[in-house]
Amino acid sequence: NAGVTQTPKFQVLKTGQSMTLQCAQDMNHNSMYWYRQDPGMGLRLIYYSASEGTTDKGEVPNGYNVSRLNKREFSLRLESAAPSQTSVYFCASSPRTTALRANVLTFGAGSRLTVL
Amino acid sequence: AQKVTQAQTEISVVEKEDVTLDCVYETRDTTYYLFWYKQPPSGELVFLIRRNSFDEQNEISGRYSWNFQKSTSSFNFTITASQVVDSAVYFCALSLTGANSKLTFGKGITLSVRP
Repeated sequence: NAGVTQTPKFQVLKTGQSMTLQCAQDMNHNSMYWYRQDPGMGLRLIYYSASEGTTDKGEVPNGYNVSRLNKREFSLRLESAAPSQTSVYFCASSPRTTALRANVLTFGAGSRLTVL
Repeated sequence: AQKVTQAQTEISVVEKEDVTLDCVYETRDTTYYLFWYKQPPSGELVFLIRRNSFDEQNEISGRYSWNFQKSTSSFNFTITASQVVDSAVYFCALSLTGANSKLTFGKGITLSVRP
């Protein structure tokens, strides 16, 4: 099983450029998430999608947009990248809330983004 | 709003020592989940345990044990006889149990186990 797959693994952008981080899961999970990890800050939620067709803001949504394309895919877009968005980004998914492993997140391998 | 505090930022121990990682949480809800995740130097995040708020039994899994105390809002993690492979960043997290619940993470504790 691939689990959660994120692309790209590494990306360097210039300030003002745009890019999309792609995420796909093959576990038939309902919910999907985007977190960012910065030194000393832990993992902070950017956006999440509780189910196909819905998205909600997390703790740090400014400067980002998301699309839940279908049940499998959840993309994160930076429209105009800023140096403050230099971070490691993690996509995650979790099964429905009535499942045995409800709220247990499975994470992708992470995407390291540098904005110059 | 939910909050998770991991007051220890870095811990260094010598192999075979026992070490306890502290986690204190805040929530006004009566039903919730608590979690621990491990992030080894390779960077992936690995799920270790989920505990339901109404289950205060301590849990032991090999060298790992977890102490959940609602009275002090704590969910501490102990590694017995630590090994070099335990070196990692450890995150405690909290979520509510209803729909649209999401995990709130602490800032993590970096554990270094020296040979």
